Amino acid sequence: GQNIDQPTEMTATEGAIVQINCTYQTSGFNGLFWYQQHAGEAPTFLSYNVLDGLEEKGRFSSFLSRSKGYSYLLLKELQMKDSASYLCALLDDYKLSFGAGTTVTVRA
Amino acid sequence: DSGVTQTPKHLITATGQRVTLRCSPRSGDLSVYWYQQSLDQGLQFLIQYYNGEERAKGNILERFSAQQFPDLHSELNLSSLELGDSALYFCASSSPSSDTQYFGPGTRLTVL
Repeated sequence: GQNIDQPTEMTATEGAIVQINCTYQTSGFNGLFWYQQHAGEAPTFLSYNVLDGLEEKGRFSSFLSRSKGYSYLLLKELQMKDSASYLCALLDDYKLSFGAGTTVTVRA
Repeated sequence: DSGVTQTPKHLITATGQRVTLRCSPRSGDLSVYWYQQSLDQGLQFLIQYYNGEERAKGNILERFSAQQFPDLHSELNLSSLELGDSALYFCASSSPSSDTQYFGPGTRLTVL
């Protein structure tokens, strides 16, 4: 299995930065995704890392290190609407395997 | 709005019954994926179709089946329903040139 681990919950203040870590144990995968999911809604695509390194997309950045089995999602200039669950997922032969998700609460 | 549509939004039924969930992929996407999300199991991959053919299978129960039609819409059939089948069922689609999967709004199934 993929054994994908993420923290269960994180809390941060509006305007701050939060880093959500994701570790995994797998022998091989195509790439690593980050999705955002508000309660009861569909997961929405945030980022995709295939190669090691940092991918930046506006306020969101994602990093991957295959040798360390580690990724993180960085959320900058937090807004109240960023309160959601963030899912780390590995793509392996068309299948996405998801972590349990990290619930981020943004406080004023 | 991802462009993936799913019907119905909500479904309430009784144990032992059979239901059909429907999904239409984004225009141009050939792949359709089905996922189940329950509180205790998280988001789990069920099955994938590509241009009408089954391509990958996850831990899908034998009571569940799916198909993709020539117009590329897909249906997930759930039979002999049990209380534990209550969950959100998501469909996702992707294009032939991309790995990114875009999710539909989901169908919330409640089995009483």
